[in-house]
Amino acid sequence: NAGVIQTPRHKVTGKGQEATLWCEPISGHSAVFWYRQTIVQGLEFLTYFRNQAPIDDSGMPKERFSAQMPNQSHSTLKIQSTQPQDSAVYLCASSFRSNQDTQYFGPGTRLLVL
Amino acid sequence: GDQVEQSPSALSLHEGTGSALRCNFTTTMRAVQWFQQNSRGSLINLFYLASGTKENGRLKSTFNSKESYSTLHIRDAQLEDSGTYFCAAEAGNYQLIWGSGTKLIIKP
Repeated sequence: NAGVIQTPRHKVTGKGQEATLWCEPISGHSAVFWYRQTIVQGLEFLTYFRNQAPIDDSGMPKERFSAQMPNQSHSTLKIQSTQPQDSAVYLCASSFRSNQDTQYFGPGTRLLVL
Repeated sequence: GDQVEQSPSALSLHEGTGSALRCNFTTTMRAVQWFQQNSRGSLINLFYLASGTKENGRLKSTFNSKESYSTLHIRDAQLEDSGTYFCAAEAGNYQLIWGSGTKLIIKP
């Protein structure tokens, strides 16, 4: 079992560009979560899918951020018109069924917006 | 205000010794998870507790929902235990609310 896979591991974008982050959950897991980690804010919940359906996106910034899960083997987090304050480590996690189960985290994608 | 208060923010231990980390909750939480973030930044799940106590090797964790706290005990600390430890509590909507982390340094 390869664990949760996130790509790329590092991404540098210029201000105003788009960034797409990828996550492949553990095979057989139905729930996928996205988090953001910064030194200032710590770990913040962004959004949660179960069986590919969006369940809770209350942590997602209302503008420029979107997440999708087109199939059970991957999810994407897209940031349009990136800003320096979007710089963070974006973490993806998966769990067997739902947010009531243990979450297993990927290594994260470190995004730097210049 | 912060719903999860984690302490201490930093801790230094000599190999072979032990200590406890604590998270206090300002509201009733359904469950708690503890994670270790290692030097590579990877988050490793240590425990998931809906109640009571669990033990795994040199680690033991307790969650007391009635008194709104959770603890993580480390005994016989080893160098590889160094890292940042986070508690994350499940709120009523099952969303995880994270503590601010405890940076643990193990010295030889």
